Amino acid sequence: GAVVSQHPSWVICKSGTSVKIECRSLDFQATTMFWYRQFPKQSLMLMATSNEGSKATYEQGVEKDKFLINHASLTLSTLTVTSAHPEDSSFYICSASGRAVSHEQYFGPGTRLTVT
Amino acid sequence: QKEVEQDPGPLSVPEGAIVSLNCTYSNSAFQYFMWYRQYSRKGPELLMYTYSSGNKEDGRFTAQVDKSSKYISLFIRDSQPSDSATYLCAMSAGAAGNKLTFGGGTRVLVKP
Repeated sequence: GAVVSQHPSWVICKSGTSVKIECRSLDFQATTMFWYRQFPKQSLMLMATSNEGSKATYEQGVEKDKFLINHASLTLSTLTVTSAHPEDSSFYICSASGRAVSHEQYFGPGTRLTVT
Repeated sequence: QKEVEQDPGPLSVPEGAIVSLNCTYSNSAFQYFMWYRQYSRKGPELLMYTYSSGNKEDGRFTAQVDKSSKYISLFIRDSQPSDSATYLCAMSAGAAGNKLTFGGGTRVLVKP
């Protein structure tokens, strides 16, 4: 149980375009979802926290207009990177927590974004 | 100073040895402590979850929390080459829905 999926697993886009990443909880209702980015050989950096039906809470330094987060249902959250630039290239990982999985957070497999 | 400190390693051990990992933290509000394993280019996988101080064992894994010293540990017995990965400690002050603060991760290499 407690499986989180992400789609796509890998995406390449051109500079200036937008990319949408989906995060789904497959077997539990995710009341809260988190979005992280991770650079090579570094730890995870929290970008934002989203609760179902509410606006996301962004961490300091994260541009909310650039990284659009939507958590429209208890099983789906999306992260849209708008007007992507090469410096946005990174590994994006979502996690989810919910009533059925108590206090733990479960992570998706990640999405590797490359902006050319 | 970071809120959570973790030696980056790499930690190299022979197969069958005990792997000992630890993290120190500064925020006394942390109540929930987790260990994640992350393989290269994959998402973190939850290994152990502990609330407050004490020990917890699950198979080859033992997690210890000493809140008085602000120190947590993870031990892996009978290590296998498949245990080679980066291990991340994480902690939270609250329950589900509260953000995690991660250590930087320790890279472990178990040599056959």
